[in-house]
Amino acid sequence: DIQMTQSPASLSASVGDRVTITCRASQSIPSHLSWYQQKPGKAPDLLIYSVSTLQSGVPSRFSGSGSGTHFTLTITSLQPEDFATYYCQQSYSSFTFGPGTKVDIK
Amino acid sequence: EVQLVESGGGLVQPGGSLRLSCAASRFTFSRYWMSWVRQAPGKGLEWVANIKQDGSEKYYVDSVKGRFTISRDNAKNSLFLQMNSLRAEDTAVYYCARGVYGSGSCFSWDSWGQGTRVTVSS
Repeated sequence: DIQMTQSPASLSASVGDRVTITCRASQSIPSHLSWYQQKPGKAPDLLIYSVSTLQSGVPSRFSGSGSGTHFTLTITSLQPEDFATYYCQQSYSSFTFGPGTKVDIK
Repeated sequence: EVQLVESGGGLVQPGGSLRLSCAASRFTFSRYWMSWVRQAPGKGLEWVANIKQDGSEKYYVDSVKGRFTISRDNAKNSLFLQMNSLRAEDTAVYYCARGVYGSGSCFSWDSWGQGTRVTVSS
């Protein structure tokens, strides 16, 4: 089974900050990496798929990059509505999510 | 806008059964893979099961194999999850989600329901 890890587990940031979240897979997963945002009490929302393709309607301040086993989600200028938990997810072999990264207000 | 509405959750004793339903609307249901994804209280997301457009292929996470069955009724735009032999560790919010393939065969979920809560406890 492919295991996914994320770092940090949580971070505190201010509006306007640049935020980077890292996701690592236990083995190479080529381009089979997606990112989701989840707010408390809500279902997840798809942000990015295929490593770097922005889902329709997602603001351009979100971007994804990486390859092989190492991937990143970057938010270039954090907005109030971006405070949430972010999950990466691989689909190369079955489907697994990372444990999540909680972004809260500093 | 795509709509997915789950129902059927509730409190059930260990060893019991429950059947979840998901009513889909505002898209052509029969053209999409569909999935169940769950989230235990205070925990992360866990994929549970997938079903192909015509129901010919079904996949499950190891922890539910032999206990859960995913099915669909394309004529009624509905997705189901039959859960038997329920355990305390199955306690979670269960989401119905629409699966899509991106470039490079990346599979993700682009639409989700609001979730239905399942509690397994005596």
